[in-house]
Amino acid sequence: GALVYQYPRRTICKSGTSMRMECQAVGFQATSVAWYRQSPQKTFELIALSTVNSAIKYEQNFTQEKFPISHPNLSFSSMTVLNAYLEDRGLYLCGARARVEQYFGPGTRLTVL
Amino acid sequence: GDSVTQTEGQVALSEEDFLTIHCNYSASGYPTLFWYVQYPGEGPQLLFRASRDKEKGSSRGFEATYDKGTTSFHLRKASVQESDSAVYYCALSDYTEGADRLTFGKGTQLIIQP
Repeated sequence: GALVYQYPRRTICKSGTSMRMECQAVGFQATSVAWYRQSPQKTFELIALSTVNSAIKYEQNFTQEKFPISHPNLSFSSMTVLNAYLEDRGLYLCGARARVEQYFGPGTRLTVL
Repeated sequence: GDSVTQTEGQVALSEEDFLTIHCNYSASGYPTLFWYVQYPGEGPQLLFRASRDKEKGSSRGFEATYDKGTTSFHLRKASVQESDSAVYYCALSDYTEGADRLTFGKGTQLIIQP
């Protein structure tokens, strides 16, 4: 079956530091990867859409300078949160697309102290 | 832009009750509609989807029918179980805004009391 792994599951970082999170699609080739942030209030914000060999599209309020993404092949993507602050906390979800469906990983929960 | 509205923030039922969670959408094109379920500590899992008017999606006893006229995709289940307790999200994907992009509703917390 189609599975999406995310690593780490949880991370804590000091305010102003950076952390990197990874997303791995297993059992299928992801035509694109979407990174979302789920706030403590449970709403989803799309950060960026990434397609291999195409430019990464960032949503309003999210920039490459703050959330650089690497997407080297059809099964792996990584995103870094640079200079994390309290407002960056939340559950970061990776959604890997196979045909019509988008499969989600369990997320990386970021806590900022 | 596209939007999805779930009117119920929380629904509390007893086992074997009938469930309805309302979902209405607004999209410039002809979207594909989804229902996702999220359990604590996990990412959203796809329940089912529908792509055409009057198409019914179903899974695990849950179902919803795509209604273009009323722009709705309400989730229903005839008899809920305690294990159905979770957060349910209605979402859409609109090709005019990029097929890879999902727009989510705010979610409905379903609480089933034994």
